[in-house]
This record gives sequence, structure tokens and C-alpha cells, in this order.
Amino acid sequence: SQTIHQWPATLVQPVGSPLSLECTVEGTSNPNLYWYRQAAGRGLQLLFYSVGIGQISSEVPQNLSASRPQDRQFILSSKKLLLSDSGFYLCAWNPRDGLTESAFGSGTQLSVL
Amino acid sequence: DAKTTQPPSMDCAEGRAANLPCNHSTISGNEYVYWYRQIHSQGPQYIIHGLKNNETNEMASLIITEDRKSSTLILPHATLRDTAVYYCIANDRGSTLGRLYFGRGTQLTVWP
Repeated sequence: SQTIHQWPATLVQPVGSPLSLECTVEGTSNPNLYWYRQAAGRGLQLLFYSVGIGQISSEVPQNLSASRPQDRQFILSSKKLLLSDSGFYLCAWNPRDGLTESAFGSGTQLSVL
Repeated sequence: DAKTTQPPSMDCAEGRAANLPCNHSTISGNEYVYWYRQIHSQGPQYIIHGLKNNETNEMASLIITEDRKSSTLILPHATLRDTAVYYCIANDRGSTLGRLYFGRGTQLTVWP
């Protein structure tokens, strides 16, 4: 069966520090991968999606970037965090064939202080 | 994606049916109606989806009106663990590549 792993679960970082959040999917090949963010008291917002290695599409302009160095690995990064980057970050995947729906990771709660 | 409208909050007694409405009056012919839920501090969980016909699975039933402008998610016997935010999304999977655009959803509170 397929599983999605996301870490760390909680992260506290100072303003101006770098960020790297990692997400991996097991049990599948060629997945579509996504990063979402949920700011406090707000809804889920799609940040990036990827349909293949090295293929990244950004949904909103922001201080973050994403990379997909391997088929089942998706990384969210920042060179210098802002206070406004605080939030709950979620990785998600679904199969390219569209036979099953999106499954989400357990999320990373990021606090930028 | 078509915009969906949901009530911000609803309550339901444990053991009773929870009926969550969703309006999607501008839904296009290719868009399915999807329902996800998010328990506090967890990732969203897929519940069910449908195009025209009513659908049922082990979690819930989805009733779509004939004109497809609205739908209702039914949890037949709500439990305390069903307390969550429920999201209704109109989505054409073929064109959006699986991208999901969430609204504010409905906070369902199931009370003992």
C-alpha cells in the first residue's frame, strides 16, 4: 500500500533562517506531488505541484521554493524565513492515472519567531 | 474550478445523521463534487466524490441534485470522531492535475 511521510512534525525557526521540509511517498511510481499551507485561522492554500522529477509549478508568489530531486521526494525550502511563513504545511500526492484521490501527509507545524 | 458555498458551522447529536450542504451553482459539466474532511492539526482525508449520481461508501453518502447545483454529504450515524472541518470542492481532475482548491469549509461539531 502507498504511504506518505512528512517531517518534521513541528519546527520553530528564527526569522531569516533557512528552511527545508521533506516529503516522501512509498509504494507508488510517478506520483503527482503537492505542497499546501494553512495559516492560522485560514483555509488550505496550494503552494506548489509537481508532475515529475524537476518539474515544479508555483501557484502563488512567495518566499518559498520547491524541488523534486527524485521521483517520490518533494522538498519545500526557503533561504530566509519571514514571520508570515508560519503555518501548517501539508504534502499530498495522487497517482498519475487518476484512479484514486489525493492523500495527505500528517503535516509540519512551522512557527517563525 | 467552480466556487462552492458551505455554512461555516453545524452541530449534530451523536448517533444522528449529519447532513452537510454545499452549493455549487456554477459547476461545469466536467467537474466532480469532492468532499474532504480535516480533523484538527491533521491532514485532510478524502471522503467521497461524485459527478451526477448519488454515491455511497463506508464513510458517507453523497446526494447530488439533478441540476447539479447543490449537494449534501450525509454521515448516517455521526460519532464524536466525526467532529472536523468538511470541505466541498468542485474539481475537474483532468484539467487541474489533481490540484485541490479549498474554501473555508463547514466546522461540524458532534456532541454527546
